[in-house]
Amino acid sequence: EPEVTQTPSHQVTQMGQEVILRCVPISNHLYFYWYRQILGQKVEFLVSFYNNEISEKSEIFDDQFSVERPDGSNFTLKIRSTKLEDSAMYFCASSEQGASSYEQYFGPGTRLTVT
Amino acid sequence: DAKTTQPTSMDCAEGRAANLPCNHSTISGNEYVYWYRQIHSQGPQYIIHGLKNNETNEMASLIITEDRKSSTLILPHATLRDTAVYYCIVRRYGGATNKLIFGTGTLLAVQP
Repeated sequence: EPEVTQTPSHQVTQMGQEVILRCVPISNHLYFYWYRQILGQKVEFLVSFYNNEISEKSEIFDDQFSVERPDGSNFTLKIRSTKLEDSAMYFCASSEQGASSYEQYFGPGTRLTVT
Repeated sequence: DAKTTQPTSMDCAEGRAANLPCNHSTISGNEYVYWYRQIHSQGPQYIIHGLKNNETNEMASLIITEDRKSSTLILPHATLRDTAVYYCIVRRYGGATNKLIFGTGTLLAVQP
């Protein structure tokens, strides 16, 4: 069964460093998402991406964050200058279409630890 | 999107049916009910969704009341691997947003 994959599974970085989290969505999916979950808290939406553009972003997704689909398979989340409060699990998701009748499939997540 | 209310936690004996309730009394006619679950530290997993009619797939059944103000997710024969947080989410059909808004969910503990 096709699945969303994410690398690395765990990333440790120092405050102020740039990190890039990588995702390979399901191959025929057109919509891509990033969510994050701070330890012990809810899963929070960050951004959705379609047709090489951001279609929606949350207030968490400020200028320090960016997303890119550099080729036909990868979808990346970049944090330009990490802060301690960026420590969280980051989940990538994809869906075949964007309408709410289409389910989103999530990857296993990348645990980001900022020290 | 309409808000949902779920119990914080529930227990279920292994092999028995787990019935997880969700209240969505302010749901609109064009909003779907979705269920996801999250096994500890893993990514959320889609389970099932419905609009008006009851739905069944290989994982679960979804029973939506006639007035659509509440629903129940049924895992027919719960196993220890079904221990997870279960999220009931309401999403508007054709809305401007397609994000999922997660609440705190129900922690289902399946007991041996």
